[in-house]
Amino acid sequence: DTGVSQDPRHKITKRGQNVTFRCDPISEHNRLYWYRQTLGQGPEFLTYFQNEAQLEKSRLLSDRFSAERPKGSFSTLEIQRTEQGDSAMYLCASSLGVSFPPPAQYFGPGTRLTVL
Amino acid sequence: GENVEQHPSTLSVQEGDSAVIKCTYSDSASNYFPWYKQELGKGPQLIIDIRSNVGEKKDQRIAVTLNKTAKHFSLHITETQPEDSAVYFCAASPLDSSASKIIFGSGTRLSIRP
Repeated sequence: DTGVSQDPRHKITKRGQNVTFRCDPISEHNRLYWYRQTLGQGPEFLTYFQNEAQLEKSRLLSDRFSAERPKGSFSTLEIQRTEQGDSAMYLCASSLGVSFPPPAQYFGPGTRLTVL
Repeated sequence: GENVEQHPSTLSVQEGDSAVIKCTYSDSASNYFPWYKQELGKGPQLIIDIRSNVGEKKDQRIAVTLNKTAKHFSLHITETQPEDSAVYFCAASPLDSSASKIIFGSGTRLSIRP
């Protein structure tokens, strides 16, 4: 297994368009996370799945954002009606385990979104 | 909620010297503290982590220390090499989240001078 993969690596879109990103976690990892990282900042938590269930969402995740993990394996993150403020690196991470002690999270390479 | 502060924001050290990055956190209930290294154009890479029942952990040239009373933790890199140049993030995981989400610091850009 080569780790968490994300596709595409780069996406340029025009304001108002919809975009969708895909994340494939490490095999058998039951937890999957989405983070957003803007230039010069650390990643910020967006949402989290345990298997196919979305269990937590940050208030950063506006109603234009939706995430799915239909079969408990890969996940998609869709942004509708993109805005220039959505420009960022979108990172996916996965982990194996339960809440305590917190399991280590392993990140993918990210999808860099540019909204023109 | 949890807040993690990281210092310095930039650090330049001579190759072979040591580098130290310091972080503080606000939520005394946080119990997991990972450190990530991020190279240009890549995702964060977990390099070491420490849990609240441990005060110090070492892995080759990297060591982390944790002071729960003072709510601060540090990363020490000894015998620095050019490939250590990257942005380093400290993070904390608050107990109030069922997701074990990670709260990141703002990062330290480490440059190793040849």
